[in-house]
Amino acid sequence: GNSVTQMEGPVTLSEEAFLTINCTYTATGYPSLFWYVQYPGEGLQLLLKATKADDKGSNKGFEATYRKETTSFHLEKGSVQVSDSAVYFCALGSGTYKYIFGTGTRLKVLA
Amino acid sequence: DGGITQSPKYLFRKEGQNVTLSCEQNLNHDAMYWYRQDPGQGLRLIYYSQIVNDFQKGDIAEGYSVSREKKESFPLTVTSAQKNPTAFYLCASRFGQNNEKLFFGSGTQLSVL
Repeated sequence: GNSVTQMEGPVTLSEEAFLTINCTYTATGYPSLFWYVQYPGEGLQLLLKATKADDKGSNKGFEATYRKETTSFHLEKGSVQVSDSAVYFCALGSGTYKYIFGTGTRLKVLA
Repeated sequence: DGGITQSPKYLFRKEGQNVTLSCEQNLNHDAMYWYRQDPGQGLRLIYYSQIVNDFQKGDIAEGYSVSREKKESFPLTVTSAQKNPTAFYLCASRFGQNNEKLFFGSGTQLSVL
C-alpha cells in the first residue's frame, strides 16, 4: 500500500542555517505530494505541493521537488528563521479520498 | 473570512461519557475529514465524508461516530467505547477532486478526567 517516510526529529538548527527534511514515499500511480506545517496548538497549514514528476513546489523560501526516480520529496530552505520552528509533515494524495501523512519532523531554530 | 472552525479547543471527558466535537466550514467544500493526532505519530483517519448524508469509516473508526446532515457541519462523537480517547483531533475539508489540498481547523484537545 501507499506510505510516506520522513526523517525523525527533532532537528535543531541555528538561525540562517540550511534546512533539509527528507521525505520518501511508496505509491502506485501518480500521487500528489504535499508539505504541511503545524505550529504549536494549531491545525496543519499547507506549505507547498507538487502534482507531477519534476514539479517544484515553493512557498515562503521553502522548496521541494517531486523526484519520481528516487520517490522523494525533500523539503529545503536556504536560511531558516526562529519563526520557522514548527512540526513539518510530508503527505501523499493518491487519487482516492485518502491522504497518507508522515509522522512529522519537529524543527527548532535557535537565535 | 472563510475557514474551518472547531470547538471547543479543549474538552474533558469523564469515564463512560460520550462527547461531541464540533466542526463547521463555510468554504462550500464537499469533502470533510476527521483525523486523530497522537504525540510523535502522523495523522490517522477516523471518518470522512464526500457528500452530505454519506460518510465512510477510516482506519481507526472504532469508538467514534459521525453525522453529515448539512454540507457545512461534520460533528464527531467520541463514545464510551473508545478506551483511549486522549488525543488532538483535527477536522479538515477539501474542495474539488481527490489530490487537492486539505484545509484544517485549529483542532480540539480531548483529555480524560
